[in-house]
Amino acid sequence: KNQVEQSPQSLIILEGKNCTLQCNYTVSPFSNLRWYKQDTGRGPVSLTIMTFSENTKSNGRYTATLDADTKQSSLHITASQLSDSASYICVVNVLSGGYNKLIFGAGTRLAVHP
Amino acid sequence: KAGVTQTPRYLIKTRGQQVTLSCSPISGHRSVSWYQQTPGQGLQFLFEYFSETQRNKGNFPGRFSGRQFSNSRSEMNVSTLELGDSALYLCASSSGVGGHQETQYFGPGTRLLVL
Repeated sequence: KNQVEQSPQSLIILEGKNCTLQCNYTVSPFSNLRWYKQDTGRGPVSLTIMTFSENTKSNGRYTATLDADTKQSSLHITASQLSDSASYICVVNVLSGGYNKLIFGAGTRLAVHP
Repeated sequence: KAGVTQTPRYLIKTRGQQVTLSCSPISGHRSVSWYQQTPGQGLQFLFEYFSETQRNKGNFPGRFSGRQFSNSRSEMNVSTLELGDSALYLCASSSGVGGHQETQYFGPGTRLLVL
């Protein structure tokens, strides 16, 4: 079982609509949870970073939420644009051997259609 | 500031060969991490270097190695290439001293194809 699971695996929405991506994790102890956006052929770009004590964090039209009790996070995209078409990756930063280690989810591939 | 740069961007090798990939971090960043990304496995952590020392290591065989130079530039080497090593190799840099909330900045990656 993956330590960081994302759903759905892929999603198609129409431009202007909202959507929510899910991330469930089992790893601990974790120091923070991150959401990245990765355009095709490019490296990931950080959207949000939340510690276990934070419930929500926004970055423009992107809002991430975190429930450390249930070990669930979501990324909500408001008023989607064509440029939002990308893979969205949930990443949990765990403490391993005294160092930080990033564990990546498989990502959700989002396609925004006109 | 210039972003993270990786060279080469694309590479084709045959089984059994070895390959060296290069990463130049953002100026002033001292931490460089390497990741492998494949369609089946997603992003997987290879190793992290800070001030020329390997600080963290993922679960990859010894064929995968790296090093970091005094100017923070890093290289990754894969020896005895296998077909399964075909992947996008991503490098990410951060200042390395800011603690667990540091943002990592990723380069564009090197796409390696092993034939």
